Amino acid sequence: EDQVTQSPEALRLQEGESSSLNCSYTVSGLRGLFWYRQDPGKGPEFLFTLYSAGEEKEKERLKATLTKKESFLHITAPKPEDSATYLCAVQLTGTASKLTFGTGTRLQVTL
Amino acid sequence: DTAVSQTPKYLVTQMGNDKSIKCEQNLGHDTMYWYKQDSKKFLKIMFSYNNKELIINETVPNRFSPKSPDKAHLNLHINSLELGDSAVYFCASSQSGQQLRNTIYFGEGSWLTVV
Repeated sequence: EDQVTQSPEALRLQEGESSSLNCSYTVSGLRGLFWYRQDPGKGPEFLFTLYSAGEEKEKERLKATLTKKESFLHITAPKPEDSATYLCAVQLTGTASKLTFGTGTRLQVTL
Repeated sequence: DTAVSQTPKYLVTQMGNDKSIKCEQNLGHDTMYWYKQDSKKFLKIMFSYNNKELIINETVPNRFSPKSPDKAHLNLHINSLELGDSAVYFCASSQSGQQLRNTIYFGEGSWLTVV
């Protein structure tokens, strides 16, 4: 069965303290891996898509990487405004574009 | 302009009632979705329409009936609401095509509370 697992469930960082969020997946055929950010009371906001192992993408303090089994979202020198839930999702081959989500990592960045 | 907009944002209703949530996208996409986010924040797909045709129906009770009058709109009608239907419902859209990197964009959500 296709599975997406995110860890840790929650992460508390001090401002400037870099860390990584993990998304591991067991799927039959990966078409793409997506990272979204969700703020309380809002919809998921698209961050990155990764399509092949070894691919990396960056946006401000965030960098996403992909291997054949997992993806990491690296947060460098985070700020309080980076506090949010980060969702990982996979898009499988032959599934008409639907996303299968992990349960998310709740990130809190404090001063 | 909001890319994917849904109404209402909040809805409180009694068990047994029928309610609808409307969604519109102005991105020119041909595929629209309904996702449900439960109390544990887990997001799961319910339906997907491509050019007004149903392409995904993820074993959702038939009390839920999506309707797509055109490719820019996808509405969700729920009959005989139950307590367990309380959740946040997200509309989303994307552009299909194997060669396109079809990112899915989400609306702000509709908070449904059944009492």
